[in-house]
This record gives sequence, structure tokens and C-alpha cells, in this order.
Amino acid sequence: AQTVTQSQPEMSVQEAETVTLSCTYDTSESDYYLFWYKQPPSRQMILVIRQEAYKQQNATENRFSVNFQKAAKSFSLKISDSQLGDAAMYFCAYRSRGGNKLVFGAGTILRVKS
Amino acid sequence: GAVVSQHPSWVICKSGTSVKIECRSLDFQATTMFWYRQFPKQSLMLMATSNEGSKATYEQGVEKDKFLINHASLTLSTLTVTSAHPEDSSFYICSADIGGGNNEQFFGPGTRLTVL
Repeated sequence: AQTVTQSQPEMSVQEAETVTLSCTYDTSESDYYLFWYKQPPSRQMILVIRQEAYKQQNATENRFSVNFQKAAKSFSLKISDSQLGDAAMYFCAYRSRGGNKLVFGAGTILRVKS
Repeated sequence: GAVVSQHPSWVICKSGTSVKIECRSLDFQATTMFWYRQFPKQSLMLMATSNEGSKATYEQGVEKDKFLINHASLTLSTLTVTSAHPEDSSFYICSADIGGGNNEQFFGPGTRLTVL
């Protein structure tokens, strides 16, 4: 079974600075999807960014980018120019290409200081 | 597009009563819907996978008779917590899979259940 590990329970970043959230996963599959979800205080899950395993190029969405290291099974999220609205819990998630279930990590609480 | 709603957003009930939570895909048909449970500051725990017109598939450790799931149409799935107890108090989230090769799940806003 696949597992997702987020080793940072909490992180803090100063407004306008850059922060990186870590995620590692374990799988024997070669084709899959990886996601970062944001859960703000409203608790609505919001998709931040996704990566398809067969694509070598790291995904980027505005201030959010990932560092996908397939061999190392690592999928970190970099948030540039952090804003107060980025404060939330962030979840890393895995999905098999042939499946539909998401496997979530434990989450990282991100605090943004003004 | 791809909006999922949940109703109610917050419910308080007495111990021993049953509570129904609805999950609707508003602008797409969802072949599969998922039900999660989340405790404060913890991750989402998948409870069951719901497919339209068939029985739900429950994750290990989830009581089928306690958490009844019905997926009667391609836009509606319901979760009924039967004979609720205080330990069932939690945040319940549904998501919907649009299918057709799209790999994204769309999440509802969640329902906070408090059992007194």
C-alpha cells in the first residue's frame, strides 16, 4: 500500500519570504499523481498544485512550485512571496493512475507572520 | 465549475438519534463520491467510496451499519450516522470524482457534527 509522509507538523514563515514544505511517499508503482491541497480555517479543501509522475518538469502555479524527485520519492512544495492568506494546513496526497482514492499525508500547519 | 455542496454545514443532535448528511455535485455528474472524517488538526481519513447505483465500499475499521451511505444518483450521495454517540462528533467531508480520465477530486465544504 502507498504511504505519504509529511515530517513537519508545523512551519512558520515571515510574510514575503519563501518556505518549503516536505513530502515523501512510498509506492511500487511507476505512474501516479501527486497533489498539494490547502485547507484554510474554513476547512474547504483547495487544490494548490498537481504533478503527474511521468512528467519530469516540475509543476508551477504562480507563487507555488514543486520539487519532484521521482527516484527519491520526494515531492516538496515551495511557496514564494508568502502572504497572510497562505496560512493554512497543507496536505500532500498520492493517487494511482489506475485508481481513484487519494492517500493523504498527516499535514503541515503553515503560519505566516506579518 | 466542479462545485460540490454539503448540507447541513453544521448539525447538533442528541445521542441515539440518526443524522443524514447530503453531498451534491452541482454542475457535473460524479460517478464516484468519497466520504472522509477529519478530527481537529489531523488528516482526512477515508471512510468509504460511494459509486452510483451500487453498494459503498468501506475502509477497514469503518462500521457499515453505523455509517450508511447511499448514492442514489450521479449528483447525490448521502451519509447517515445511525444511533449517533458523542464519539461520532467530527468533521465529515465528501468529495466527488468527475471521472473520464480527470484525476482531480472536488471537495465539499464539510459538515460539522456534534453529538450531545
